[in-house]
Amino acid sequence: QKEVEQNSGPLSVPEGAIASLNCTYSDRGSQSFFWYRQYSGKSPELIMFIYSNGDKEDGRFTAQLNKASQYVSLLIRDSQPSDSATYLCAAEMNRDDKIIFGKGTRLHILP
Amino acid sequence: EPEVTQTPSHQVTQMGQEVILRCVPISNHLYFYWYRQILGQKVEFLVSFYNNEISEKSEIFDDQFSVERPDGSNFTLKIRSTKLEDSAMYFCASTEQGGGGETQYFGPGTRLLVL
Repeated sequence: QKEVEQNSGPLSVPEGAIASLNCTYSDRGSQSFFWYRQYSGKSPELIMFIYSNGDKEDGRFTAQLNKASQYVSLLIRDSQPSDSATYLCAAEMNRDDKIIFGKGTRLHILP
Repeated sequence: EPEVTQTPSHQVTQMGQEVILRCVPISNHLYFYWYRQILGQKVEFLVSFYNNEISEKSEIFDDQFSVERPDGSNFTLKIRSTKLEDSAMYFCASTEQGGGGETQYFGPGTRLLVL
């Protein structure tokens, strides 16, 4: 059974600070990893994707992947109130293109 | 910017009735997906579709479910005889290519309520 695990939160972070979101996955064959943001009642919106070990930066967002530890993280720098949402970690195995989602971590940015 | 669209945004139906949820994927995309999200739970894969046939389906996608691409633009999910537990948000997604590593773009969802 392929699983993606996340702490459900809520994670409360002061405005302007760094928010750190973590995720682990069970299937060592997973190759691609995604972070989606989901506002209440809305659809998932892609924030970042990462395939290679290490860090990938895009604006205020940095995704980190450690395949040996089966660990993915998302850092949000200079957190804004608009970043308050549920962040979904997802994993995809090559040639098996369904995405397995975690339950999501609720992030609350405190003004 | 191209986007996935879904209709209706909300659907209320009686248990045992058939519902059809509609999606228009991004025009140059070839791979299509349905996911569902029961309130407060995680997004779950239902089915993937390519070249007019199902590529993969989950254990949730039983005989009550079917998918179809009736024309060049629409992609539909049919639930033949709805159950209370089918109440959920249903998301359609599409991607340009399959085989892994492709970003899936999600539609806004259809909220289905079965009474």
